[in-house]
Amino acid sequence: DAGVIQSPRHEVTEMGQEVTLRCKPISGHDYLFWYRQTMMRGLELLIYFNNNVPIDDSGMPEDRFSAKMPNASFSTLKIQPSEPRDSAVYFCASSLPLTGELFFGEGSRLTVL
Amino acid sequence: KNQVEQSPQSLIILEGKNCTLQCNYTVSPFSNLRWYKQDTGRGPVSLTIMTFSENTKSNGRYTATLDADTKQSSLHITASQLSDSASYICVVSRGGSQGNLIFGKGTKLSVKP
Repeated sequence: DAGVIQSPRHEVTEMGQEVTLRCKPISGHDYLFWYRQTMMRGLELLIYFNNNVPIDDSGMPEDRFSAKMPNASFSTLKIQPSEPRDSAVYFCASSLPLTGELFFGEGSRLTVL
Repeated sequence: KNQVEQSPQSLIILEGKNCTLQCNYTVSPFSNLRWYKQDTGRGPVSLTIMTFSENTKSNGRYTATLDADTKQSSLHITASQLSDSASYICVVSRGGSQGNLIFGKGTKLSVKP
């Protein structure tokens, strides 16, 4: 398996623009997570899905953030409008329920100017 | 408050030397503890998992220990190599929901030749 695939790897945009980050989880994994990583705060859970259904979105910073999982092999994290404080690395991860081990993608580094 | 504290924040050692990274947690209930290795520009990868009944677990040159009474874990790296340069993140699971993970902010290890 190719692992968790994220795109784009790097995104530079201007404040106010819409940003869409994409994730393909490992086939057969029931859980999908979106994390944000910054130097100050480390890894923070934004939202996670179980069998394509959002379970906990309490970590989503505000209404500007939204996430969808239309099917078992695809998820998006959207920021609209983006702000400079959204600059971070966004990770997608997937897991199986029994092991709980997270398999992370390579991350999407977002810079909002 | 559920917290995971890691020390030191950063560490520089010479190639071939040993080192020990610390993780203290105040998480309850406790299900398991994982150490992840995150190479620069990559996503974290699981090194080892410790459950309540386990005291020591090895994965090659990495040895993790867990003292559930004092709520402390350590990751010992033997005969360090340049490729060990990375951030090491301690993650404690509270069990139940898959999203019930508490992340430390990591220790950044630099191995110099």
